[in-house]
Amino acid sequence: AQTVTQSQPEMSVQEAETVTLSCTYDTSESDYYLFWYKQPPSRQMILVIRQEAYKQQNATENRFSVNFQKAAKSFSLKISDSQLGDAAMYFCAYRSAISGGSNYKLTFGKGTLLTVNP
Amino acid sequence: EAQVTQNPRYLITVTGKKLTVTCSQNMNHEYMSWYRQDPGLGLRQIYYSMNVEVTDKGDVPEGYKVSRKEKRNFPLILESPSPNQTSLYFCASSLWGTGANVLTFGAGSRLTVL
Repeated sequence: AQTVTQSQPEMSVQEAETVTLSCTYDTSESDYYLFWYKQPPSRQMILVIRQEAYKQQNATENRFSVNFQKAAKSFSLKISDSQLGDAAMYFCAYRSAISGGSNYKLTFGKGTLLTVNP
Repeated sequence: EAQVTQNPRYLITVTGKKLTVTCSQNMNHEYMSWYRQDPGLGLRQIYYSMNVEVTDKGDVPEGYKVSRKEKRNFPLILESPSPNQTSLYFCASSLWGTGANVLTFGAGSRLTVL
């Protein structure tokens, strides 16, 4: 079974600075998808960014980018120019690319709580 | 607006009193799923459904039931709730098939079982 590990339970950053959240995963599969979700105090789960494992290019969405290291099974999230609205719990998640109902689920890490200081 | 709607958003109940959390999506998604979120554990899948009348267990199905009689609805049933089912519950849906189909989540249902 796949596992996702977020080794930083909490992180803090100053407004306008850059922060990197870590995520590692364990899998024997060669094709899969990785996601970062944001959960603000409203509790809504919001997709931040996604990465297909077969793509070598790192995904980018505005101020959010990832560093995907497939051999190291690492998928870190970089937030540039941090804003107060970025304060949230961030979850890293894995999904297999193998067809089949049980493979379609997201496996989540335990989350990293990001605080943004003004 | 494309969305997943859960109700109720908050519920306090007592041990053994049957309850249902409803979930509805308006995106014509084939795949629907329930997750529970507990502090320090992240989100764990309870049940999922690949289409109408097709459901299966996730990682933590004990004490829960689901049904999928219509494509848009996927209710979560707690026949005899217990305090260890106190949690934050999320319903989610997506298209089914290959590709990085993104799960769209509902707003969450906070359940407390006394």
